[in-house]
Amino acid sequence: GAVVSQHPSRVICKSGTSVKIECRSLDFQATTMFWYRQFPKKSLMLMATSNEGSKATYEQGVEKDKFLINHASLTLSTLTVTSAHPEDSSFYICSATTARLAAAYNEQFFGPGTRLTVL
Amino acid sequence: QQQVKQSPQSLIVQKGGIPIINCAYENTAFDYFPWYQQFPGKGPALLIAIRPDVSEKKEGRFTISFNKSAKQFSLHIMDSQPGDSATYFCAASRTSYGKLTFGQGTILTVHP
Repeated sequence: GAVVSQHPSRVICKSGTSVKIECRSLDFQATTMFWYRQFPKKSLMLMATSNEGSKATYEQGVEKDKFLINHASLTLSTLTVTSAHPEDSSFYICSATTARLAAAYNEQFFGPGTRLTVL
Repeated sequence: QQQVKQSPQSLIVQKGGIPIINCAYENTAFDYFPWYQQFPGKGPALLIAIRPDVSEKKEGRFTISFNKSAKQFSLHIMDSQPGDSATYFCAASRTSYGKLTFGQGTILTVHP
């Protein structure tokens, strides 16, 4: 149980285009989803926290107009990278959590990640 | 105060050795301390987690030692195997808040 999927796993796009990445909780309802960015051989950097039905909370320094996050249902959150540029190339990872599964531990279940390359 | 400092950056051991990875935190409000394992091109997977009301937790070959007064915790991998070669991240969060603060990561290589 507690499986999180991401689609696509890899995407290559041209500079200036927008790319949408989906994050789905397959067997549980995720009240909260998190989006991370990871550069090669670096740690995970939290970009934003997304609660179902409400606006995402972005971390300091993350451009909310460039990284649009939508959490329209309890099983799906999307990250749209708008007007992508080569510096947006990175590994994007989502995670999901729910009070019912995690009890008091706030355990997060991570997706497999999406490799974005902007040419 | 939100940082979690992890060391070493990289670690090489022989098969059967016991690699130890250390983390230190500042924020005393943290009350959940997980360790994640990540293989190249994959998302992190939870290995083991501990809360500050216990000083040690063991699951299979993985053990977390926790020192609340020193604000430090560590991961020990017993009888390490080449398949354990991966990047390991410690993290911390406040139960009521949920955001994980990650350490910098440790690249572990286990030689056959």
